[in-house]
Amino acid sequence: GEDVEQSLFLSVREGDSSVINCTYTDSSSTYLYWYKQEPGAGLQLLTYIFSNMDMKQDQRLTVLLNKKDKHLSLRIADTQTGDSAIYFCALPHEGNNRLAFGKGNQVVVIP
Amino acid sequence: KAGVTQTPRYLIKTRGQQVTLSCSPISGHRSVSWYQQTPGQGLQFLFEYFSETQRNKGNFPGRFSGRQFSNSRSEMNVSTLELGDSALYLCASSVEGTSGELFFGEGSRLTVL
Repeated sequence: GEDVEQSLFLSVREGDSSVINCTYTDSSSTYLYWYKQEPGAGLQLLTYIFSNMDMKQDQRLTVLLNKKDKHLSLRIADTQTGDSAIYFCALPHEGNNRLAFGKGNQVVVIP
Repeated sequence: KAGVTQTPRYLIKTRGQQVTLSCSPISGHRSVSWYQQTPGQGLQFLFEYFSETQRNKGNFPGRFSGRQFSNSRSEMNVSTLELGDSALYLCASSVEGTSGELFFGEGSRLTVL
């Protein structure tokens, strides 16, 4: 099956940039996603990138995709306390609505 | 418009019992999928329903089942509960034909004692 790996924890000072990394095994995915989960809540789609793109910028978010290395990253510029959450990398696996998720990366923003 | 609604939000059961969880998707969304979230295993796909038919199924035992009604609302059932079934069960809906963007509910937290 699809294997999606993420580092588990990141601590960052408010105003600094955060970078979350993800590696995956299946290279056939058309889209790759970043989801955010705040405490006590479900998951919210943050952004996604098409597999034929190398980079996508969306306000404070920058997604980089290295297909050769099967590596996806999410950069959050000017990190705010509201960015404290768990961030999941996800790819479709055996169906568009069947996503394989990484274990999540908890980001703690220090004021 | 209203988001994905899951009920109940919290419930406690004992081993051997069974449980039914409900999910109302966003209006117009015909696909409903279910995920189990645990600290150890993370998010794991349970199944997906579209137009009242199970379209995809994850690697869970037969104790886990689901269905979808004509109004797209979905239920999942877990029979003969085990301690390891304690988890957050998340439902997600989506519009068919899009990028596969899933809209998640807040989940039903099940504790099995």
